[in-house]
Formats: sequence, C-alpha cells, structure tokens
Amino acid sequence: SQQGEEDPQALSIQEGENATMNCSYKTSINNLQWYRQNSGRGLVHLILIRSNEREKHSGRLRVTLDTSKKSSSLLITASRAADTASYFCATVPTGTASKLTFGTGTRLQVTL
Amino acid sequence: DTAVSQTPKYLVTQMGNDKSIKCEQNLGHDTMYWYKQDSKKFLKIMFSYNNKELIINETVPNRFSPKSPDKAHLNLHINSLELGDSAVYFCASSHLTTHPYEQYFGPGTRLTVT
Repeated sequence: SQQGEEDPQALSIQEGENATMNCSYKTSINNLQWYRQNSGRGLVHLILIRSNEREKHSGRLRVTLDTSKKSSSLLITASRAADTASYFCATVPTGTASKLTFGTGTRLQVTL
Repeated sequence: DTAVSQTPKYLVTQMGNDKSIKCEQNLGHDTMYWYKQDSKKFLKIMFSYNNKELIINETVPNRFSPKSPDKAHLNLHINSLELGDSAVYFCASSHLTTHPYEQYFGPGTRLTVT
C-alpha cells in the first residue's frame, strides 16, 4: 500500500518566498529521502535524512524528521523559478536495504 | 554524459502487443530498478536486480518480465499489453554496498496503449 502522503498536493508561491512541504508515512523507517521531478523528467535525489537524525541542511534545503509523528518536512528557502517541480518524499522501511516507497508528491509552482 | 538512459522515450502501441523498454547505466552501480508512475504521478517500484539477481519483485502481473543481461543493463518486457499499462516507466540504479539508498533515475519511457 502507499507509504507516504504529502501535503499540500500543490503549492504556488512567488520567487524569494519560502516553500514548505510535508510528508507523513506509516511504518518504521531506516531513512527518508526527498526527490525532485521536473516536468517530463526523471527524479533527482535531493537529500537523505536517517531515522536517528532530526534535521539536515543542504544549500537552500532544510529537512526535518519526527519519527514519533512519522512525518518529515522539506523547506526550500528563497525559492527561484527554477525550483518549479514536483517534490516527492520516499522512505526506506526498516529491514529493507533498497526498497523506496514514494509519497504522492507536492507540485510546487514558483512565479516571478 | 548520460548516467541512466532509457529507450525509447515514447512508445505508442496497441492492446495485445508485446514491447520492450531498455535501460542502461554507466555509473558502475550494482543494483537497478523499474518503477511505474501512473497518471496521478504515483510512483511504485516494480522490480529490482542486484548483480543480475532479482531482489525485489512486487505484485506485478506476470506479463511483465525484467531481464538483466549484465549489471549495467535492465530491460523490461511486457506481453499482451493492456490499456491499464499506460504509464511512465522509470529505470533507476544505485550502489547497494556504498550508497544503498540514493537512487539515480532515468528520464522515463512514456508508454501509451491504445
């Protein structure tokens, strides 16, 4: 069954604003990852956070993980038009080495 | 340099036909995957091969048969295509021993069954 649910399904902001996307999942995990998908393209790995980590940064990206609530958030600061894409969270359940289970995705639109 | 490539990019075919999608990676990875993304953008794993051995085989109709001739290639053959097979199929790869969790995706193959 589907592992992750993302919220919101769609988000529209202006360039320079921050964008926050949330992901909830159902089972215990080894790690959680965020991927970006530009229209008509494959997914690109953005960041990975392990189950024993609470926060991680990479450039303009900030990811938090709350394993007690089984939720994660992705914050993109100072958004740019080039950030327009769909963003997916993906979890690796505990005990599985490589099986990614994807969320439903958030479609982000950044306007000038 | 293309890391994970898929051919063809687009595939339009009629119901009942048999078709194949090819995937190649030049990253030296030992594990490859096939995913299906439906019209609602939901992405679900279908198969995974590690060093040419099947390690993940989700509940997929047996009309779908993956084949891995070597570590760098994973092909997907689909028999007796049905309308519901219309989707975008993504190939991905990773290195299970060094970076097992980070997967690199191909550009996708959009399959349309009419």
